[in-house]
Amino acid sequence: RKEVEQDPGPFNVPEGATVAFNCTYSNSASQSFFWYRQDCRKEPKLLMSVYSSGNEDGRFTAQLNRASQYISLLIRDSKLSDSATYLCVVNIRNAGNMLTFGGGTRLMVKP
Amino acid sequence: EAQVTQNPRYLITVTGKKLTVTCSQNMNHEYMSWYRQDPGLGLRQIYYSMNVEVTDKGDVPEGYKVSRKEKRNFPLILESPSPNQTSLYFCASSSLAGRANTGELFFGEGSRLTVL
Repeated sequence: RKEVEQDPGPFNVPEGATVAFNCTYSNSASQSFFWYRQDCRKEPKLLMSVYSSGNEDGRFTAQLNRASQYISLLIRDSKLSDSATYLCVVNIRNAGNMLTFGGGTRLMVKP
Repeated sequence: EAQVTQNPRYLITVTGKKLTVTCSQNMNHEYMSWYRQDPGLGLRQIYYSMNVEVTDKGDVPEGYKVSRKEKRNFPLILESPSPNQTSLYFCASSSLAGRANTGELFFGEGSRLTVL
């Protein structure tokens, strides 16, 4: 079983739709969580951190469910420019040195 | 401008011919890391470094070497490349809060390597 798992998609949604992705992690000792965005053939970039109480940044909302060991990303009012691959990232090592990436979920927003 | 610079961006080479991919960052970050990205496998960590002269293996270190003689540079060395090392490679850096990685990795633009 992979340490960090995501549905690869693609998720095809119309502009304006609300879409949500989940990411599950296997190590209950995981301490910190992040969502990264990667455009086609480009480097990943940090989208947002995920806090225990949940957090929002504009149209993006991140949630953490420690009991079920998953994090989620909700995108409201999808834009064409949201089309990308979204990577779930978990800090699993207790020493805090390594970040483990999920395989990514591809989102395609259509006009 | 804060950045992570990798070179070369594209390289086609042959089996067994030693090569080095350079990585340099100008943000005075303590932490640097190399990843490879392959379809269906996501980003996998090769090696990382917490500071000068401190390097550690990641999940897939076989066939690679690194060095950290200066804080800004973290080259990736393939002593004898093989076709299974054909991949997209990313270098990344981050500041550290104490010993913990802050989670905000700054990536280079990637180096696409093909080994024939």
